[in-house]
Amino acid sequence: DGGITQSPKYLFRKEGQNVTLSCEQNLNHDAMYWYRQDPGQGLRLIYYSQIVNDFQKGDIAEGYSVSREKKESFPLTVTSAQKNPTAFYLCASRTSGHHNEQFFGPGTRLTVL
Amino acid sequence: DAKTTQPPSMDCAEGRAANLPCNHSTISGNEYVYWYRQIHSQGPQYIIHGLKNNETNEMASLIITEDRKSSTLILPHATLRDTAVYYCIGRIQGAQKLVFGQGTRLTINP
Repeated sequence: DGGITQSPKYLFRKEGQNVTLSCEQNLNHDAMYWYRQDPGQGLRLIYYSQIVNDFQKGDIAEGYSVSREKKESFPLTVTSAQKNPTAFYLCASRTSGHHNEQFFGPGTRLTVL
Repeated sequence: DAKTTQPPSMDCAEGRAANLPCNHSTISGNEYVYWYRQIHSQGPQYIIHGLKNNETNEMASLIITEDRKSSTLILPHATLRDTAVYYCIGRIQGAQKLVFGQGTRLTINP
């Protein structure tokens, strides 16, 4: 089945540790995205990538880093510089073109203790 | 991207039509109206989008006013599984990102 997978669903880390969230898609989509969602709020864009080996900052990139070495994979690292890392993280992808909708993964809930 | 305004919450009886309004009075001519929904603790799901004509698919209908300043998402026969937060988003043609507001929390009651 084609889709987007994020692992793990729940992640706990100690304050000051970097943590990498996984996002994999087998939809052959060119563009991939990372969003953050806080309780009761909408999604905010962290980073996005339109093609392999290229990515751009979104609205809240500080304290995060990404890589896009393969079309299928777009991992997000939450660094110790991110002051409030506890949140629900969502990965999405879409094909190129004007109107193609974004497909979202199931999300990873990160809790920093 | 146009700012969209939605009511924070709505209720609807199971089996009835759910009509979710969205105001986007500053929408520009090349901005489409997109609707997504998010069931609790899951990723958002695309529903439908339109520019100026009404649109219908297997999930819902989208009615856009002639002046394009508002729209209504219609779920014709709501079920309990339609309980979710519904987001109305303005998106410029070709733009990469989606800007999510707080959406409308729709509760379908048995």
